Amino acid sequence: NAGVTQTPKFRVLKTGQSMTLLCAQDMNHEYMYWYRQDPGMGLRLIHYSVGEGTTAKGEVPDGYNVSRLKKQNFLLGLESAAPSQTSVYFCASSYQSDRTLYNEQFFGPGTRLTVL
Amino acid sequence: AQSVTQLDSQVPVFEEAPVELRCNYSSSVSVYLFWYVQYPNQGLQLLLKYLSGSTLVKGINGFEAEFNKSQTSFHLRKPSVHISDTAEYFCAVITLYNQGGKLIFGQGTELSVKP
Repeated sequence: NAGVTQTPKFRVLKTGQSMTLLCAQDMNHEYMYWYRQDPGMGLRLIHYSVGEGTTAKGEVPDGYNVSRLKKQNFLLGLESAAPSQTSVYFCASSYQSDRTLYNEQFFGPGTRLTVL
Repeated sequence: AQSVTQLDSQVPVFEEAPVELRCNYSSSVSVYLFWYVQYPNQGLQLLLKYLSGSTLVKGINGFEAEFNKSQTSFHLRKPSVHISDTAEYFCAVITLYNQGGKLIFGQGTELSVKP
């Protein structure tokens, strides 16, 4: 049981390049999230998904797109990278239940992205 | 809108000393409260959570936190810290009936435990 995994762990891009970050979870979780972490700003939600085929915007969605074609995968895309997107990106997932109003989010190890 | 403020960005402390990491939140509706810990070069893991019931919540690694509704605070404490507690700590909230279970994080507090 690997939990939440992220690919790649590190990446350096030039301004204008594109890339996709992959998040995979093997816990059969319904909900998945993409956050970015910047010094002094905590974690901010980029996009999230409450189920296969559905996505929604979070707090800082501009410049990013996402897709959830399979329940276990959540992809984060940067179409034209900018230096402001230099950050550490975390994926998380949680289990949906009608019995509780909250379910713990489990985090991946992160992807460190530098845009030059 | 909800917000979370962690009052200290960095907290240096000596080993075996007590520590308190402060967290205040703002919300017009009821919330659940959490503390997450991030060890160097790792993802976040849940330290403890307050959902309901007793306002004193115990978590892993000897940490505890107290929910104070009147002061809208959820401070994290440990009576005696260890070198291995060096990490960044995040306070977070989620509102009840929140669509999508979205967490709102504070800015983080770096705890540095010195020998």
